Amino acid sequence: QVVLTQSPSASASLGASVKLTCSLSSEHSTYAIAWHQQQPEKGPRFLMRLDSDGRHTKGDGVSDRFSGSSSGTERYLTISSLQSDDEADYYCQTWATGVWVFGGGTKLTVL
Amino acid sequence: QVHLVESGGGVVQPGGSLRLSCAASGFTFTTYALHWVRQAPGKGLEWVAYISNDGTNTYYPDSVKGRFTISRDKSKSTVFLQMDSLRTEDTATYYCARETDNSGYFHFDYWGQGTPATVSS
Repeated sequence: QVVLTQSPSASASLGASVKLTCSLSSEHSTYAIAWHQQQPEKGPRFLMRLDSDGRHTKGDGVSDRFSGSSSGTERYLTISSLQSDDEADYYCQTWATGVWVFGGGTKLTVL
Repeated sequence: QVHLVESGGGVVQPGGSLRLSCAASGFTFTTYALHWVRQAPGKGLEWVAYISNDGTNTYYPDSVKGRFTISRDKSKSTVFLQMDSLRTEDTATYYCARETDNSGYFHFDYWGQGTPATVSS
């Protein structure tokens, strides 16, 4: 069973950059993932699909400040020029036959 | 634009039932698979049901298998989640999500705003 692991929290200053990590279980290094953002009291929003080779395809209207990259079993979400409304929970998601899996989420605080 | 609007949540006693609805618009309903995902208060996201674009295939995690049933009505562009034998641990906001039609990928590309369901005596 594929497992996704995320750090519970992260913080960075307004205007800075931050890199969030989603770790796949060791035997699933070729898996693509998706990143989703959930702002307080809102439904989730799809940010991007991220392949194992780092190629990523963003959702409709997602800012160029969001980018993705990959290395081995790690999948990254980088947010540049942090704004106050980037303060949110960020979830990674993947899939296998008949099952869809989320990481535990990372709560990003913008200082 | 794509819209997914959930309804049907509420308060129910343990052992009771709820039927959630998700009205879809802005895309060809019969092209896309759809899912239900829930979020318990203060917790993360948990996938709870899948239905294929034509309604012939469904999947559930063990936590809800045998108690929840997903279905869809193409005449109404609506997907449903019938929740029976409800438990206190089913208390959550329930989101409808559309699965991408990109070949080889199965992530969610649009989400609704959610409907809350509370199971309590």
